Formats: sequence, C-alpha cells, structure tokens
Amino acid sequence: DAGITQSPRHKVTETGTPVTLRCHQTENHRYMYWYRQDPGHGLRLIHYSYGVKDTDKGEVSDGYSVSRSKTEDFLLTLESATSSQTSVYFCATYPGQGGIYEQYFGPGTRLTVT
Amino acid sequence: AQTVTQSQPEMSVQEAETVTLSCTYDTSENNYYLFWYKQPPSRQMILVIRQEAYKQQNATENRFSVNFQKAAKSFSLKISDSQLGDTAMYFCALLRNQGGSEKLVFGKGMKLTVNP
Repeated sequence: DAGITQSPRHKVTETGTPVTLRCHQTENHRYMYWYRQDPGHGLRLIHYSYGVKDTDKGEVSDGYSVSRSKTEDFLLTLESATSSQTSVYFCATYPGQGGIYEQYFGPGTRLTVT
Repeated sequence: AQTVTQSQPEMSVQEAETVTLSCTYDTSENNYYLFWYKQPPSRQMILVIRQEAYKQQNATENRFSVNFQKAAKSFSLKISDSQLGDTAMYFCALLRNQGGSEKLVFGKGMKLTVNP
C-alpha cells in the first residue's frame, strides 16, 4: 500500500474557526487530491495538485484552500469552518507516470463543525 | 463533463451467491480508465478492479469481474461466491487519462450487505 497518512484523524471544531488538515505521502507521487465524502454524494473533489505549488480547484472548492510547498505534503485549510463542512475528508495520490493508473487513498479524517 | 451513475443505492445478497452491481458513465474521451472501489466500515478506500477503456477483454480479479460495454457506457461489477467480508460501500469511478488533469469522478456509491 502507498504510504499516505492524514492528520488529524478526527477533529471537532466550532463554527468560524480555521482548520487545517494535513496529508503526507512517502511515495513521491506527483498528483495529490482532497475529497470530501458525504452520504448520498459519494466522493467529491475539493482541490488537487499536479506538482509542487501547482494546484487547481475541484467541483466543491468554495470555502477551502490548499497549499503544497513540497512533494510529500498537501494541506487543506478551511479558513472559517461552517457546519456544512462537517464531512469525512480523504486525501489521495496518483503517480502520473510509470503506467500506473490508480489513485491511492489515505485513511480519512472525520471533521465535525459544531 | 464526465459523470458516473450508480442507480442502486443498496443491495443485499446471501453468502456464497453471486451479485452484480451496475454503473453507467458518460465521457467524451476515448482514452479513460474505470474502477470499482470498496469501502468497508473501516472507511479505507480499497481498489477492487480496474478496466482500461482501450481493452476489449473484461478485467477479472479472483471472485471479482466486470462487464464492460463501451458503446453502452456501462461498467458492472460481478461478485461471485459472496463472502461476509464483501459487505461494504462500493464506488464506481472514471479516470480520464489526459496529461495535466488526471481526476477521478465517482458515483454516489452502493451499499452491499452480505447476509449469512
């Protein structure tokens, strides 16, 4: 399995507070992604990165920002958390080379905004 | 735009029986990949099987096989000899293979319960 960790694994926070989720990989994969999973919606892409300092928006990017200052880390920030951002967040990586067409997922972070 | 549709939100099957999960998709690309992911109660996303669109032969992985109908844009998963450990959410996903924008699009998922 690809070495992907997420921290924290669980977090409860109050509305209006900033929150940062971290994704760390040891596979040197070029692409990294942040998804949120909600009942009835599957996984939806928030933001992704195709290289260091190269990021782009996904389908549900409002209220979120990301940063990638080095290959192994991809941060997701909620500048001012809202109850609608209560969700399970998954990080994923993708090699982008070597004929491997598969995304590898981290264990997920459950975020509750009260 | 690419879309993936899983029309069955939930299914149940008896242990040792065979079950088929349906998935349809829409894409204008000719070069893409399709996946089935399994998510057990542990929440970990696990790749079950992968199909390259340019391959006519259906992919198989032990008890798991797919029926890939490219013209119909259909990608169903067959689980043979169902086991209790197959109980999970199953997601169908589409990956467009185009330089610079390799993004997965997921269906909404289907909850499979295998009963003893």
